[in-house]
Amino acid sequence: ILNVEQSPQSLHVQEGDSTNFTCSFPSSNFYALHWYRWETAKSPEALFVMTLNGDEKKKGRISATLNTKEGYSYLYIKGSQPEDSATYLCAFISRGGGFKTIFGAGTRLFVKA
Amino acid sequence: DAGVIQSPRHEVTEMGQEVTLRCKPISGHNSLFWYRQTMMRGLELLIYFNNNVPIDDSGMPEDRFSAKMPNASFSTLKIQPSEPRDSAVYFCASSFKGRESSYNEQFFGPGTRLTVL
Repeated sequence: ILNVEQSPQSLHVQEGDSTNFTCSFPSSNFYALHWYRWETAKSPEALFVMTLNGDEKKKGRISATLNTKEGYSYLYIKGSQPEDSATYLCAFISRGGGFKTIFGAGTRLFVKA
Repeated sequence: DAGVIQSPRHEVTEMGQEVTLRCKPISGHNSLFWYRQTMMRGLELLIYFNNNVPIDDSGMPEDRFSAKMPNASFSTLKIQPSEPRDSAVYFCASSFKGRESSYNEQFFGPGTRLTVL
C-alpha cells in the first residue's frame, strides 16, 4: 500500500507570516511529485511538477523542494496573504505496473488578515 | 481553452438508479483521470486512461462502477445501481504525457456533486 502523508493537517497563520508544510511519500518507485492548490468550491490547480531529486521550484511567494531519496517534499509560502488560504495537496506518482497517482489528504491553510 | 468540462454539475438521484457522469478533457491531452472526493477518504483515484485505454482501474470501488473512453474527447463514469454511500464529488482531470516524459500536471474539471438518496 502506497502511503502519502501531509502535515500538518491544518495551519492557522497571520498575514505576513511565512510558513511551510510537508509531504511524505515512499522513496521507492518514485516517478514524479505534484503540488496542487485547492480553494474552497473550486477545483485543484497545479502549482509544481517535480521530478528530480534536489529539485527546487518557485512561483511568486511559493516554492517547493524535493528529496526523493528520503521521500519528502516541502512547500513554503513567504509572507502569507489571506488569498493564500486554501488546501495544498501533494500527489505522488509512482512507476511500476503502470503509473499510479496517490494524493495526500492535504494541508488546510488559513491566513488571517 | 474551455478547460476540462464535466456534466452534470449536480446530480440527485434515488438509490438503485443508474448514474452517468460525463467528462470532456482538454483538447490535445492524452491522459484522463477520474477521482472521487469524500470527507472520509479525501481525493481518491478511481481509474485513469492513457490514449483512451484504461491503464489502472484498481481504485474503482466495485463492479457497480464502470468507466469508458470511446474517443479522445469524451469519457463516462457510470454507477449502476447507485447507493447512498456513492454520494461524493466526482472530479475528472486530464493531462498530457509524452512518450519519454513524466506525467505533466493534471487539469481538473469543476466536478460533479452526486447525491444518492
